[in-house]
Amino acid sequence: GESVGLHLPTLSVQEGDNSIINCAYSNSASDYFIWYKQESGKGPQFIIDIRSNMDKRQGQRVTVLLNKTVKHLSLQIAATQPGDSAVYFCAENIGDYKLSFGAGTTVTVRA
Amino acid sequence: NAGVTQTPKFQVLKTGQSMTLQCAQDMNHNSMYWYRQDPGMGLRLIYYSASEGTTDKGEVPNGYNVSRLNKREFSLRLESAAPSQTSVYFCASSGSGGIRYAQYFGPGTRLTVL
Repeated sequence: GESVGLHLPTLSVQEGDNSIINCAYSNSASDYFIWYKQESGKGPQFIIDIRSNMDKRQGQRVTVLLNKTVKHLSLQIAATQPGDSAVYFCAENIGDYKLSFGAGTTVTVRA
Repeated sequence: NAGVTQTPKFQVLKTGQSMTLQCAQDMNHNSMYWYRQDPGMGLRLIYYSASEGTTDKGEVPNGYNVSRLNKREFSLRLESAAPSQTSVYFCASSGSGGIRYAQYFGPGTRLTVL
């Protein structure tokens, strides 16, 4: 499953499929980006980060891609599991000590 | 290693009452933050403390005060609560070097002001 365009608030994906969550950022000067996962009733949880001198970074089952030309960030989740159901936020640094957060995409995994 | 802890988890106040939200981190982080999260608004920064002894306003500071008690603890005070302050409040911390280190969040305090 994939969220297309700048941002979709929801994404429904079949268990076992790959998920792609997209995010557009606004500040050309941002040099650091983070993806967070927030489960219902809990605080945001750090997933993976990437610096602007990189195009791609991989973690366990997750990959973040950064396209600075079009100011676009994506999070790919491989073999999506029921435990991946959550709201996913991207964040960009907007100056020292400050992050700007996107509105979030709700991912629902279908059994 | 508990990470970031917040107390209380839930609170109901009447308009005009005051309260303090407590936050502590055990990761030896220099910087700490308070956010509020409202439906459709995302996370908004209320106040932050870049290092022990300093505090600065964020995006939505009106109606709040903060105290960086020591390196571990950062509290948020509502002097006269208003219904517009009904929200979920998150504390976060990050390591030395400022924003280039990821922020780690606590579990949140769910506040209702009647």
